[in-house]
Amino acid sequence: EAGVTQFPSHSVIEKGQTVTLRCDPISGHDNLYWYRRVMGKEIKFLLHFVKESKQDESGMPNNRFLAERTGGTYSTLKVQPAELEDSGVYFCASSQQAGGPGNEQYFGPGTRLTVT
Amino acid sequence: GDSVTQMEGPVTLSEEAFLTINCTYTATGYPSLFWYVQYPGEGLQLLLKATKADDKGSNKGFEATYRKETTSFHLEKGSVQVSDSAVYFCALRRTGNQFYFGTGTSLTVIP
Repeated sequence: EAGVTQFPSHSVIEKGQTVTLRCDPISGHDNLYWYRRVMGKEIKFLLHFVKESKQDESGMPNNRFLAERTGGTYSTLKVQPAELEDSGVYFCASSQQAGGPGNEQYFGPGTRLTVT
Repeated sequence: GDSVTQMEGPVTLSEEAFLTINCTYTATGYPSLFWYVQYPGEGLQLLLKATKADDKGSNKGFEATYRKETTSFHLEKGSVQVSDSAVYFCALRRTGNQFYFGTGTSLTVIP
């Protein structure tokens, strides 16, 4: 079974540009999460999708970040315009359920975003 | 609010040395506690977990005990191997499904 995949693995962009990160969850997982690790700091929750709906977006830092999950399959996270402080590693995770026995989150390898 | 504080790294050990990575947490209620590991070039993998006080999680020779009285979940391994070199993250999860992670501790094991 394929795990969570993320694309690209690394992106280098200039301040003010736009970047779109993609996450493909494990097939059949309705729950999809985005997290971010800014250099040297903790991994922070950004948001949680259940199918195509945003269940919790309390961690989104500001309106320069837009997450979508059209059709409830893969998700994209767009940063527009990018700022220097957006640099970090963006992780995606998926789970079958949000609670109960099937709620283990499986993480992707992350996308390393560098804004120069 | 909820938070996790873990030992800062990097940590460098010789093969077969004893490992402890400290983790303490702040949370209301009764969170579940986790250790995740990230090997080079890979995603986060669940290493072990404990869902209630005094539970011990264990996997691949690693252990951690949920200590409510000290709000701790320290990771230990009796004899580390080169293949254990990775970044280790302590995390908690309360109701809902949001994780709170620590800053990560990088471990390098040298032969």
